[in-house]
Amino acid sequence: DSGVTQTPKHLITATGQRVTLRCSPRSGDLSVYWYQQSLDQGLQFLIQYYNGEERAKGNILERFSAQQFPDLHSELNLSSLELGDSALYFCASSVETVTAFTNYGYTFGSGTRLTVV
Amino acid sequence: AQTVTQSQPEMSVQEAETVTLSCTYDTSESDYYLFWYKQPPSRQMILVIRQEAYKQQNATENRFSVNFQKAAKSFSLKISDSQLGDAAMYFCAYRSSGTASKLTFGTGTRLQVTL
Repeated sequence: DSGVTQTPKHLITATGQRVTLRCSPRSGDLSVYWYQQSLDQGLQFLIQYYNGEERAKGNILERFSAQQFPDLHSELNLSSLELGDSALYFCASSVETVTAFTNYGYTFGSGTRLTVV
Repeated sequence: AQTVTQSQPEMSVQEAETVTLSCTYDTSESDYYLFWYKQPPSRQMILVIRQEAYKQQNATENRFSVNFQKAAKSFSLKISDSQLGDAAMYFCAYRSSGTASKLTFGTGTRLQVTL
């Protein structure tokens, strides 16, 4: 268990639908990152939140949105789903707190596999 | 923007042998961090090793070591005494030194380990 929890692990839904992916970061980590990994592809950065605020945006579609709540968990909302949105969605958190900054790598959750049919 | 290139889509190594995976990156920054992540069939992303750009000494973690050439912007991963459990996708990643900066990944190298 990495300490980063993602739910659900698997999700199958139809085109045009909307889903919400949830991520709970490691205890104390303020940063949450979302990545998309399509089949046999690398990880594409979607969006980052730091202590409740959006910090950086990557190649995130307008149909996608995210937020980070006061308890630091984050949700990624995907709407008007298309077949091409089928992918593994990773959440990661990093060891950064208000008083300490370290540059270790991220800790990843086990991912949510989204299948759009 | 920073880019990370892994030019070897697939590599193969015999058990107990040594293999080196290549990674190059492009950046105008002087301070940054480099990582190798392993993704086994379970798809879990596992941190293998990290290197701070300001350190000249190459990082080592048990059977895993890196060859960091800052001037050449090269960051290769050497796996010694390869084991069947090393079979996975390996991703090279770059991170700026700024607070809460994102990781930029290469496209990955699939490593096969044969008997």
